[in-house]
Amino acid sequence: AQSVTQPDIHITVSEGASLELRCNYSYGATPYLFWYVQSPGQGLQLLLKYFSGDTLVQGIKGFEAEFKRSQSSFNLRKPSVHWSDAAEYFCAGKPSGGYQKVTFGIGTKLQVIP
Amino acid sequence: DVKVTQSSRYLVKRTGEKVFLECVQDMDHENMFWYRQDPGLGLRLIYFSYDVKMKEKGDIPEGYSVSREKKERFSLILESASTNQTSMYLCASSPLSGRPGTDTQYFGPGTRLTVL
Repeated sequence: AQSVTQPDIHITVSEGASLELRCNYSYGATPYLFWYVQSPGQGLQLLLKYFSGDTLVQGIKGFEAEFKRSQSSFNLRKPSVHWSDAAEYFCAGKPSGGYQKVTFGIGTKLQVIP
Repeated sequence: DVKVTQSSRYLVKRTGEKVFLECVQDMDHENMFWYRQDPGLGLRLIYFSYDVKMKEKGDIPEGYSVSREKKERFSLILESASTNQTSMYLCASSPLSGRPGTDTQYFGPGTRLTVL
C-alpha cells in the first residue's frame, strides 16, 4: 500500500541543537510530500511541501526538508531548535497528480529540553 | 488567511446520543475532510467531500456519516455515539486537487469529543 512512515514516535533534543525528523514514503512515481506541525491544543499547520524541482525545500519557522529519491525519504531538518518548536510533526504524501487523497504518518512528538 | 472553524473545542456526550460536529471554511475550497486523531495512530480519514452533496468514504467511515449541503460547510454525524468514538476530530479543507500546489490542507483547531 502507498504510504508514509515516520519511524520515530518521540524525539528529545536540547535547545540550540540541530534536529532531523525522518520520513519515508512508498509511492511509485515522485509523490507530493508535506510536513505539518501541530502545537498542543491546535490543528495542523503546513511547514513545507515538495511537488517537483529543487529537492531541498525551505519552509516556515526555519525548517527545511530534502527529497531523496534513492532513499525514498523526505526528512525534516532545523539547524538550531527553539523551545517553541516542541510539538508533534506529521509527514504526509500522495501520488502526484490525480484526485487521490493525502496519507498522513503517525507523527513524531518533539520534546525540547533546556 | 484561510480560516477553518469547528463548532466546538470540547464536547461531552453520552452513549447512544446523536452527535453533530460542524466545520466551516471561508476560502471557497472544493475539498473538505474529516479526520480523527488518536495517540499512536496519527490522523485517519473518516470521510471527504469534493463538492456540494458529494462524499467519499475514507479509511474508517463505520459509525459516521457526513453532510455537505453548502460549499463552505461540512458536517460529521455520529448516529449513535459509542465510547470508542472518544477522540480528537479534525476538519480540513483544500482547493481542487490534481494540480501542483493545490493539495495543501488547511486544518481547524479540532474538537475533542468524549463519549461517556
